Amino acid sequence: DTEVTQTPKHLVMGMTNKKSLKCEQHMGHRAMYWYKQKAKKPPELMFVYSYEKLSINESVPSRFSPECPNSSLLNLHLHALQPEDSALYLCASSQDRSFGTDTQYFGPGTRLTVL
Amino acid sequence: DQQVKQNSPSLSVQEGRISILNCDYTNSMFDYFLWYKKYPAEGPTFLISISSIKDKNEDGRFTVFLNKSAKHLSLHIVPSQPGDSAVYFCAASALNGQNFVFGPGTRLSVLP
Repeated sequence: DTEVTQTPKHLVMGMTNKKSLKCEQHMGHRAMYWYKQKAKKPPELMFVYSYEKLSINESVPSRFSPECPNSSLLNLHLHALQPEDSALYLCASSQDRSFGTDTQYFGPGTRLTVL
Repeated sequence: DQQVKQNSPSLSVQEGRISILNCDYTNSMFDYFLWYKKYPAEGPTFLISISSIKDKNEDGRFTVFLNKSAKHLSLHIVPSQPGDSAVYFCAASALNGQNFVFGPGTRLSVLP
């Protein structure tokens, strides 16, 4: 089983709203990732969690706040977003970042629209 | 500065023929390479990978070739099927823990 699930599938929010994206995996993976993908572009890394600790923040604005409550769950809290933040947000997981040959498995994504 | 390049934004192939997707990289520290397939509004699906100790890896209709000296890899799909129509991303990583770097993608259209 290589399934990563994400909810919601679609989200429309105003610039003053607070919302959260959720990601879950039950593969026993210890690394989880958030990516942002704009149309016709490759995924861009936002955050990396390794063993439930934030290990990489790719200079993401503070209006995006990640959280890893346990090894299976990853959240992305959204607040005061801008219309240009509209994109497909992808979650991924991998077995262990300490191994170089570490394949990432992606969820289906959340299509976010900020009005 | 693009570390992973896919110089063909699109490719059209007849059903049953071979599809060849190319990828070039510039960072000599990369030693693990992957191909992902992506349909619109879905997450990338892992297809096949290869580490730098090999020059070929095969899985069913998919074969990846790696030429380290040329810093080039390619994905061969034989025979191509209409369901293979998607965007294909090449990705690379390094043993030092550097995260995946994705190429810009190639849109493959398999024509019936």
